[in-house]
Amino acid sequence: GESVGLHLPTLSVQEGDNSIINCAYSNSASDYFIWYKQESGKGPQFIIDIRSNMDKRQGQRVTVLLNKTVKHLSLQIAATQPGDSAVYFCAESGPDDKIIFGKGTRLHILP
Amino acid sequence: NAGVTQTPKFQVLKTGQSMTLQCAQDMNHEYMSWYRQDPGMGLRLIHYSVGAGITDQGEVPNGYNVSRSTTEDFPLRLLSAAPSQTSVYFCASSSHFPQGGNSPLHFGNGTRLTVT
Repeated sequence: GESVGLHLPTLSVQEGDNSIINCAYSNSASDYFIWYKQESGKGPQFIIDIRSNMDKRQGQRVTVLLNKTVKHLSLQIAATQPGDSAVYFCAESGPDDKIIFGKGTRLHILP
Repeated sequence: NAGVTQTPKFQVLKTGQSMTLQCAQDMNHEYMSWYRQDPGMGLRLIHYSVGAGITDQGEVPNGYNVSRSTTEDFPLRLLSAAPSQTSVYFCASSSHFPQGGNSPLHFGNGTRLTVT
């Protein structure tokens, strides 16, 4: 099986409930933030992004919130489905063009 | 539309051997990057490039070289493989704005490397 992510924090959510995944970023100069979803054996997939001139952005069933004061990012998934089961990563990018990833959170859906 | 293509998918090396991980994208993206992914460590940036002829170091560049002679290709070279380089390697690309800033990364499916 997939060995990546064995020691990641896990969030367990009942199917149909909303999920909230949190991320603390490190660089106060970062101005672009992205959430990715990674399923077992695959590369990360883009979910939603937000630039530092916004504090909220909505997509289909997903919302990203940005709090620059405390350097915190969250991903909200509405009506969580079995297909949402994956590892979720936040990433930040700043003036140096480096895109740095957080450690990830495993989302586990309870039936 | 192939997107980002990485080869090989799997590779086993002996300590001290060298090899090149290939990455190609057909989206005309200026920005390309290499990450390694280890259990519990997330993705760590090895090297990146904002355009042909330009490369820069990421978080964990030691033991790896890159070059960017064309927009499409961004190979990653392991000079003398070590067991600590056992990992899953991902190549990614995105559009990049001349005034600075990125757009979402498109990832390949990874190369799983084992060094014995």
